[in-house]
Amino acid sequence: EVQLLQSGGGLVQPGGSLRLSCAASGFTFSLYAMTWVRQAPGKGLEWVSVMTVSGSRTYYADSVKGRFTISRDNSKNTLFLQMDSLRAEDTAVYYCARDHRYSSFWGQGTLVTVSS
Amino acid sequence: QSALTQPASMSGSPGQSISISCTGTSTDVGDYNYVSWYQHHPGKAPKLLIYDVTNRPPGVSDRFSGSKSGNTASLTISGLQAEDEADYYCSLYTSSTYTRVFGGGTKLTVL
Repeated sequence: EVQLLQSGGGLVQPGGSLRLSCAASGFTFSLYAMTWVRQAPGKGLEWVSVMTVSGSRTYYADSVKGRFTISRDNSKNTLFLQMDSLRAEDTAVYYCARDHRYSSFWGQGTLVTVSS
Repeated sequence: QSALTQPASMSGSPGQSISISCTGTSTDVGDYNYVSWYQHHPGKAPKLLIYDVTNRPPGVSDRFSGSKSGNTASLTISGLQAEDEADYYCSLYTSSTYTRVFGGGTKLTVL
């Protein structure tokens, strides 16, 4: 059974940093691109970032480019999202998801709140 | 990349069929067959319903179907059931930029 178990959310002050993790199981993690998607309160889904299979290529939404960094550790079957220079508008539930052309499996989501 | 346009809300009675539209432009939806659809119940993880415009993953009910005409993709739900009440999102993958964009979402109410 495919599982994506997320951790690392919480409350952070504006300008602060946070790192999200997504531990994968039930499939060969190293063979899949992995994606982050978020949903701000009362808003729709927003694609955030993707990392290719090998980790050689990363892509970001304009809203997070230069502040967020996606990475993966294929030896630990784990995906990360390092979030720096956080803003109030980054407050959202963050989901990790498998694949990129479409997201076939999703994590449970983790809430990130940016507030003073 | 601009968000795709979906109706904010729709409603239907049990047993009816409804179609949710997802409108883009000739350079996105009209140019790529990489539209996917998701069902999202609040507080839960989104669920993939349709990928690559018309394909249904294993385990997804055949009451859900996808199509595309020109710059508009559509998700049709036939035989509406109470449990279909949820938010629905379309998404487009653009291979030229390796990025994705979501529609604004449609809140479906089953009367």
